[in-house]
Amino acid sequence: QSALTQPASVSGSPGQSITISCTGTSSDVGGYNYVSWYQQHPGEAPKLMIYEVSNRPSGVSNRFSGSKSGNTASLTISGLQDEDEADYYCNSYTSSSTVVFGGGTKLTVL
Amino acid sequence: QVQLVESGGGVVQPGRSLRLSCAASGFTFSNHGMHWVRQAPGKGLEWVALISYDGSDKDYADSVKGRFTLSRDNSKNTLYLQMNSLRAQDTAVYYCAKDEVPGHDMDVWGQGTTVTVSS
Repeated sequence: QSALTQPASVSGSPGQSITISCTGTSSDVGGYNYVSWYQQHPGEAPKLMIYEVSNRPSGVSNRFSGSKSGNTASLTISGLQDEDEADYYCNSYTSSSTVVFGGGTKLTVL
Repeated sequence: QVQLVESGGGVVQPGRSLRLSCAASGFTFSNHGMHWVRQAPGKGLEWVALISYDGSDKDYADSVKGRFTLSRDNSKNTLYLQMNSLRAQDTAVYYCAKDEVPGHDMDVWGQGTTVTVSS
């Protein structure tokens, strides 16, 4: 159960777009359309932002979008805002009937 | 509103046991699987375990298999995590989260309860 690979940090200026990658294997990310993305602000519980690769839960801004190609999933945030500064985690269902998270990416809004 | 409230955390010596609880409200608890996810201080999220809606299926991370046991009481809308043979590496904030199939997304999270394993 190796963690999915995410960049440790990304940054962008307000109004810009950024993309966070999440790389796994054919046993997790590549094998299922069951990748989710979570936002976590310091001291708070995580919040679901994207599910099943590209679906947004009700109430999540359409500035957040997800996609997948092969063993790599991506989260794109467009029109960056100050409140987007947070840690972001991907996760995936696996062939072992378990769930695996990525290591997390710290987003800094410059 | 939909809510999950964890309890039972605390300071415990290595090798001892602790039981966490997660009280659910605002949704039909017996219709949903439930996860436990933990976060060590300054670290990322780690999936711990998943129990099916009726308790018949349980899956665990390798790091806790054989030491942690999931259970649920649907009559009390409560999820449990029995943690035995605790190690320093189990020190973390433990979150329960509501499962949404088919992708096992975690769409509702509790506020977390802190477990510290230290002598």
